[in-house]
Amino acid sequence: AQSVTQLDSQVPVFEEAPVELRCNYSSSVSVYLFWYVQYPNQGLQLLLKYLSGSTLVKGINGFEAEFNKSQTSFHLRKPSVHISDTAEYFCAVSGLSNAGGTSYGKLTFGQGTILTVHP
Amino acid sequence: DTAVSQTPKYLVTQMGNDKSIKCEQNLGHDTMYWYKQDSKKFLKIMFSYNNKELIINETVPNRFSPKSPDKAHLNLHINSLELGDSAVYFCASSLFGGRNNEQFFGPGTRLTVL
Repeated sequence: AQSVTQLDSQVPVFEEAPVELRCNYSSSVSVYLFWYVQYPNQGLQLLLKYLSGSTLVKGINGFEAEFNKSQTSFHLRKPSVHISDTAEYFCAVSGLSNAGGTSYGKLTFGQGTILTVHP
Repeated sequence: DTAVSQTPKYLVTQMGNDKSIKCEQNLGHDTMYWYKQDSKKFLKIMFSYNNKELIINETVPNRFSPKSPDKAHLNLHINSLELGDSAVYFCASSLFGGRNNEQFFGPGTRLTVL
């Protein structure tokens, strides 16, 4: 079983300031981790993902995240935010679901963090 | 061209009615999903199909019945709608359905049950 906790429900910041959105996970298997962004009234778009290898993952729109196995965290960061980054951000962990003897991926999402960038 | 499309975008209906939401993907993926996002924005998987076969079926009332006529389509039919069914329903697709595969989401269908 797996679970995801996003530690902040809302994060207000000023434009050009740095931001960190926190995510902690638990999983009984090796983890694959994702960050998705949801702009108002739209679907989810993948920002970045960690599958293996380097623990620092770079994504789109200048975002990056660091996988920390000892702290079971996958925090999202951006050094300088823009007004257009205002959105809701979801952390997700990919677990396993079994059907007919075959394992399939299943995303479990955190509760979401609303990032509001003020001018 | 839209990668994952859903129709309708908005659906307003009365309690007790039956309604369907359609999803189509043109990405050549073989796995499709339905998610429910409640009023608190919590996203939870409902169903997943791989090559038209059901592979994930979370604890969802029997009133919800997914149907996959082919790999590119996954429809969701809901019988006897209840107030608690009001939510945004997202369709998604991925390649192979593996743990490391990115899921592509549709724009969502906002269902309001009155």
